[in-house]
Amino acid sequence: GENVEQHPSTLSVQEGDSAVIKCTYSDSASNYFPWYKQELGKGPQLIIDIRSNVGEKKDQRIAVTLNKTAKHFSLHITETQPEDSAVYFCAAKRLTFGKGTMLLVSP
Amino acid sequence: NAGVTQTPKFQVLKTGQSMTLQCAQDMNHEYMSWYRQDPGMGLRLIHYSVGAGITDQGEVPNGYNVSRSTTEDFPLRLLSAAPSQTSVYFCASSYSSGEDYGYTFGSGTRLTVV
Repeated sequence: GENVEQHPSTLSVQEGDSAVIKCTYSDSASNYFPWYKQELGKGPQLIIDIRSNVGEKKDQRIAVTLNKTAKHFSLHITETQPEDSAVYFCAAKRLTFGKGTMLLVSP
Repeated sequence: NAGVTQTPKFQVLKTGQSMTLQCAQDMNHEYMSWYRQDPGMGLRLIHYSVGAGITDQGEVPNGYNVSRSTTEDFPLRLLSAAPSQTSVYFCASSYSSGEDYGYTFGSGTRLTVV
């Protein structure tokens, strides 16, 4: 089955800095890679996704890049704000999630 | 509002008791799943369903049963609760058309087994 590794487990940045979270996957047949944001006490919320026929996708301050050859994909958040503080999860296909990254943005 | 509704939000059980966690969605999603979330373990798949009448096991199915008699509902049953089942449980649903799509998650059920 699919296995997803996510790094780092914790990321602290200053407001206005960029943040990058990386994931690797094992199944070369995987072709769908979503990212979720989970705020304290809430369920995860889909924030962006990418399919294997696209190398990069952007939505305002967030972007996702995909390298199918190396089997890894990354979430990029620019101009971070305190409200970006949350736990972020990557996933491969629909079912398999990484263990999460706690992002802390300090004012 | 459209979405995934989970009940109850909190529950305390004694070891050996049984209970059912309820999940309902009103988006006509065919795909539904149950996950448990534990510190440092991420989201682990318990059971999932690709449509009414069809269910399958995920990564951690032991001690749990599911059924899918309607498109809208996907209840999770704990047969005989154990302290190891203390966790936060999330139900999620997704559109399905042969391709993968992202989930809409419920707000979770926090379960404590004593």
